[in-house]
Amino acid sequence: DAKTTQPPSMDCAEGRAANLPCNHSTISGNEYVYWYRQIHSQGPQYIIHGLKNNETNEMASLIITEDRKSSTLILPHATLRDTAVYYCIVRERAQKLVFGQGTRLTINP
Amino acid sequence: GAVVSQHPSRVICKSGTSVKIECRSLDFQATTMFWYRQFPKQSLMLMATSNEGSKATYEQGVEKDKFLINHASLTLSTLTVTSAHPEDSSFYICSARDLMILATGDNYGYTFGSGTRLTVV
Repeated sequence: DAKTTQPPSMDCAEGRAANLPCNHSTISGNEYVYWYRQIHSQGPQYIIHGLKNNETNEMASLIITEDRKSSTLILPHATLRDTAVYYCIVRERAQKLVFGQGTRLTINP
Repeated sequence: GAVVSQHPSRVICKSGTSVKIECRSLDFQATTMFWYRQFPKQSLMLMATSNEGSKATYEQGVEKDKFLINHASLTLSTLTVTSAHPEDSSFYICSARDLMILATGDNYGYTFGSGTRLTVV
């Protein structure tokens, strides 16, 4: 069973920041928070991951709360190509990936 | 980054026939392969995990005699859907893991193929 809870869908205007929340209240100390996305009819694409600290890369930022029970993925300037299903996954580093239902993000022009 | 080549991307087969899907890791050794299935508007469901040279471990409810997985080399894993039926029509996706890359902290230790759309008629 997935250990995360995400809203089923969200909308965001093109050019604005998209903030996708994820609850993982049962996360353990060894588990990382990973974000993947899946554009229609493609394989999932890695976005970012973190353990405790906030992380940023060329795609997105990941904000993890101090108690690690929730996190937010931020796409700073969303484009139409960011329309996808976004999956938040918690796991230990070498564990298999178990996907929940994810958030279907729609970027509107 | 690491690349996993999956083919065919689409296949249509007749009911009762078998279909083989291949996943190849390019430029890295896939010590572990994961196979997923995804029905329309649903999430990915893990079917099985295979380590090179070992028998695959199937998730609960997945028929191992119907979904044959072979991982005979560090760069190739295959999934064969035997005696396919219309209810097996789905999107099948593989994911390769390279423990060497994981050890260095690079998340590219998990890389997904582009998926295979199977339609059984």
